[in-house]
Amino acid sequence: EVQLVESGGDLVPPGGSLRLSCAASGFILSSNYMTWVRQAPGKGLEWVSLIYTGGSTYYADSVKGRFIISRDISKNTLFLQMSSLRVEDTAVYYCARGGYTSGPISNFFDHWGQGVLVTVSS
Amino acid sequence: QSALTQPASVSGSPGQSITISCTGTSSDVGGYNFVSWYQQHPGKAPTLMIYDVIYRPSGVSNRFSGSKSGNTASLTISGLQAEDEAHYYCSSYTNTNTPVLFGGGTKLTVL
Repeated sequence: EVQLVESGGDLVPPGGSLRLSCAASGFILSSNYMTWVRQAPGKGLEWVSLIYTGGSTYYADSVKGRFIISRDISKNTLFLQMSSLRVEDTAVYYCARGGYTSGPISNFFDHWGQGVLVTVSS
Repeated sequence: QSALTQPASVSGSPGQSITISCTGTSSDVGGYNFVSWYQQHPGKAPTLMIYDVIYRPSGVSNRFSGSKSGNTASLTISGLQAEDEAHYYCSSYTNTNTPVLFGGGTKLTVL
């Protein structure tokens, strides 16, 4: 069974740093593209970052230069290193697994974690 | 890049059909058959309902169907049930350096 379990959420002051983890089980994380999506309180989904199997990474303009997505193959775990945090980064952060078809990669996500809350406040 | 455009809310009675639209541009929705739809109940993680415009993952009811015309994709739910009441989000691949785009979300109310 595919499972994704996020951890690392916390209350941090503006300008602070935090690292989120997403432990994967039931599949090999490095064989799938993975993403982070966030949801501010009462708001919609916002794509944050993506890492493809080859290691190429992409970021939303709102987090570029502040967030880094990475993975530890030995731990089958995805990370999101967040720095220079802002109040507007407050959200529930979800990790999700990319889905595959017989065609080209189309950036849909077939399994999601339960989410972890990050609160940025003084 | 701007989010895909969805109506803020739609409603329907049990047994009826509703359609949620998702409008983008030729750089995303219109340019590729790579639109997906997610259902989210309050306090829960999103769940994939449709991928690549028209395909349903195993386990998703055939009451859910997807389509696309030009720059607008649509999710249709037939035979509305109370359990369908949720937020629905569309998403599309984009040919920019931000390769995933979400819509603003639509709240479906089953009357």
